[in-house]
Amino acid sequence: GNSVTQMEGPVTLSEEAFLTINCTYTATGYPSLFWYVQYPGEGLQLLLKATKADDKGSNKGFEATYRKETTSFHLEKGSVQVSDSAVYFCALSDRSGAGSYQLTFGKGTKLSVIP
Amino acid sequence: DAGVTQSPTHLIKTRGQQVTLRCSPKSGHDTVSWYQQALGQGPQFIFQYYEEEERQRGNFPDRFSGHQFPNYSSELNVNALLLGDSALYLCASSLVWAKNTEAFFGQGTRLTVV
Repeated sequence: GNSVTQMEGPVTLSEEAFLTINCTYTATGYPSLFWYVQYPGEGLQLLLKATKADDKGSNKGFEATYRKETTSFHLEKGSVQVSDSAVYFCALSDRSGAGSYQLTFGKGTKLSVIP
Repeated sequence: DAGVTQSPTHLIKTRGQQVTLRCSPKSGHDTVSWYQQALGQGPQFIFQYYEEEERQRGNFPDRFSGHQFPNYSSELNVNALLLGDSALYLCASSLVWAKNTEAFFGQGTRLTVV
């Protein structure tokens, strides 16, 4: 079956530090990959996505590259801000058997950025 | 555009009771998926509805059932509630589910079973 493994949190960084959150996946097909962000008390928002190998998704200074050879989709940001404090979820979209596409999520990584 | 709306936002139920959660998808979207997010965990797929039919189901017991209406809104029903059903229930909508289609999530319904 499909699965997503992301680095355990929580992660605490100082403002302007470099961020990396590791994500690896296992999929039976050729999935699309996503990073979602969840701010306190809110639902999930799409941060970025990549649909094929070597694609780079980017948004709000965050980037992630679809690496098929290492089955990875690590999230990076060069300089984090206090407002980036949230829980980040790596996810893949793939078919389950003969059914329709569905999202499979990692467990999430909580990021806290301190001034 | 109101986006995906869910109701209620919070709910407290007693073990053994039944609960119904509601979701209105983003305007123009026709596919609704439901997820359960336990505290400190990632969302787990419950099931997905398209054209008023359940198209896909995750590893959840039959106590979890759903419905989609002609206006694409959806309900999630849980019978015989267990303490372990306490979680945030998220609804996601999309337009003709495909692997790179963005899913829009609602704010969720926080269910507490006591």
